[in-house]
Amino acid sequence: GQNIDQPTEMTATEGAIVQINCTYQTSGFNGLFWYQQHAGEAPTFLSYNVLDGLEEKGRFSSFLSRSKGYSYLLLKELQMKDSASYLCAVRGPSGTYKYIFGTGTRLKVLA
Amino acid sequence: KAGVTQTPRYLIKTRGQQVTLSCSPISGHRSVSWYQQTPGQGLQFLFEYFSETQRNKGNFPGRFSGRQFSNSRSEMNVSTLELGDSALYLCASTSEGGSYNEQFFGPGTRLTVL
Repeated sequence: GQNIDQPTEMTATEGAIVQINCTYQTSGFNGLFWYQQHAGEAPTFLSYNVLDGLEEKGRFSSFLSRSKGYSYLLLKELQMKDSASYLCAVRGPSGTYKYIFGTGTRLKVLA
Repeated sequence: KAGVTQTPRYLIKTRGQQVTLSCSPISGHRSVSWYQQTPGQGLQFLFEYFSETQRNKGNFPGRFSGRQFSNSRSEMNVSTLELGDSALYLCASTSEGGSYNEQFFGPGTRLTVL
């Protein structure tokens, strides 16, 4: 079967660092995406990993281990505006353009 | 470039009715995917169209169908609506020539079935 697991909810303090984990079991893998979704809005693209290792993009970094079926999104210097849901998604085999999404992690940033 | 647009933004229907939702992708994007988003289930993949052909399909009943036109605009139809169909329906378009080929989402259509 195909499955993506993420924690349902996390809370952190403004200025802190938070790590959101994602584990996946999918038939075929052609990249892992992280999206941010504010309440009532559409998801927006944050990061993409297809090879093992860390991708850094400003305050956000994403890590992938394909052998472990594991990824994390690291958010540094948290700001109130980072309060949102973070969605992990795996794209299926090359050429299929089929994405499987996790249920999302709701992050609350407290002052 | 204009983003992905979806119409209508909100819709209220009653059980047994049918509904058609529309999605216009970013100019030049030929792949359009549809998702159902509910609080408990997250984003569930419905189907994906590319060049007017359904290329991928999720695990939804046949009441859910879609199509894509030659200008890449897409519609999805839900017949014989059930209460459980109440959800946010998101459309996403993809450029297959980009660096990541990430999906760009529209604002969604909020469907309420009474």
